[in-house]
Amino acid sequence: DQQVKQNSPSLSVQEGRISILNCDYTNSMFDYFLWYKKYPAEGPTFLISISSIKDKNEDGRFTVFLNKSAKHLSLHIVPSQPGDSAVYFCAAIEFGNEKLTFGTGTRLTIIP
Amino acid sequence: DAGITQSPRYKITETGRQVTLMCHQTWSHSYMFWYRQDLGHGLRLIYYSAAADITDKGEVPDGYVVSRSKTENFPLTLESATRSQTSVYFCASTVVGATLWDPDTQYFGPGTRLTVL
Repeated sequence: DQQVKQNSPSLSVQEGRISILNCDYTNSMFDYFLWYKKYPAEGPTFLISISSIKDKNEDGRFTVFLNKSAKHLSLHIVPSQPGDSAVYFCAAIEFGNEKLTFGTGTRLTIIP
Repeated sequence: DAGITQSPRYKITETGRQVTLMCHQTWSHSYMFWYRQDLGHGLRLIYYSAAADITDKGEVPDGYVVSRSKTENFPLTLESATRSQTSVYFCASTVVGATLWDPDTQYFGPGTRLTVL
């Protein structure tokens, strides 16, 4: 039972344009959501997070949007840069559960 | 070197053999985790530890054993490796957070690619 889903395994975007990565979840008890970025042969690195009581969080070129009624999370990257090419994982946690649940990942390729 | 390291980075073994993957962190983080990454599944939690001598099961613990005698080390042992345990294994650590642990400061090691023949 995949509680966190990333339905697009890959996405290609032109450099300078906006990249939008999507994530859907089924567990309404999730309290906190995160996005991680992963380069080949490296571990994931934390990118940005959002609490379930907010609908938007921004950090530089990265913005995460949360739509609780739709159980949908998205990551916007603008403008997209070649260094953004990586696999992006969304993740969610229910506080008190101590377990982070990851999506399956989306491979983002930025085309120069 | 400061940070979180894993060894070996690559390992090939045979079915039925015992394998131990090592994880070492230099921050004295309380929490440590083991995940496996498989195509179509993302990362799944195997075991985690809240402190030395305190460990608990994650989502996919069967076939794995962990121990944590020192805060900085968290080895993962496959007692009798199976082909289904072929995967990339990531260790992570983080500090205590507002509730239990702080997700924003969960740092991952570089991973160990394990192949079981």
